Amino acid sequence: SYVLSQPPSVSVAPGKTARITCGGNNFGSKSIHWYQQKPGLAPLLVVYEDSDRPSGIPKRFSGSKSGNTATLTISRVEAGDEADYFCQLWDSTLDHPYVFGTGTKVTVL
Amino acid sequence: EVQLVESGGGLVQPGGSLRLSCTTSGFTFSTYEMNWVRQAPGKGLESVAYISNSGSAIYYADSVRGRFTISRDNAKNSLSLQMNRLRVEDTAVYYCAREGFLFDAFDMWGQGTLVTVSS
Repeated sequence: SYVLSQPPSVSVAPGKTARITCGGNNFGSKSIHWYQQKPGLAPLLVVYEDSDRPSGIPKRFSGSKSGNTATLTISRVEAGDEADYFCQLWDSTLDHPYVFGTGTKVTVL
Repeated sequence: EVQLVESGGGLVQPGGSLRLSCTTSGFTFSTYEMNWVRQAPGKGLESVAYISNSGSAIYYADSVRGRFTISRDNAKNSLSLQMNRLRVEDTAVYYCAREGFLFDAFDMWGQGTLVTVSS
């Protein structure tokens, strides 16, 4: 089965930059999406198609992709950014094409 | 305002059945593809079922294929998930999620409904 690997945890001080990676095989032209999930709440889409932001998402959240690694960058981190973050892609070659990453817990120090 | 509201979760014994519903409002339901995504306690996200806007295309995760059935009623703006032969490992919060109109990310989610499979 297809696996999207993320670091289990990332710690960052307020005002600094957090970078969360998402690695897989043969990303090619596949788009990567990112979700933020706070405890007890549903996930929230923060970046789609590698680097686009839905309306209402602060510009501090940005996405990029190079080769088989995608990165979610959170600039000027705030206490409210503490959450779990998941990447996701759609791969038409799979029987069930929706794959989520393993998830990263971001802790604001 | 876009809303997705799940219902139907609860406690069920292994081998039992449960039917989840997702009632939607605030958007043209019949034009959107939909998914059920679940999250076991303390675990990550797993898409378990997908249905196209017309209902003509359906996908299932290997973990639920043959036991779960996704369906939709575009006239009632609702999505369903019939879950049969439930297992302990199906215990999770189940979310109804809308797929973006022009991209394959989930841009709107319900609040989730908890399914507990236990004897």
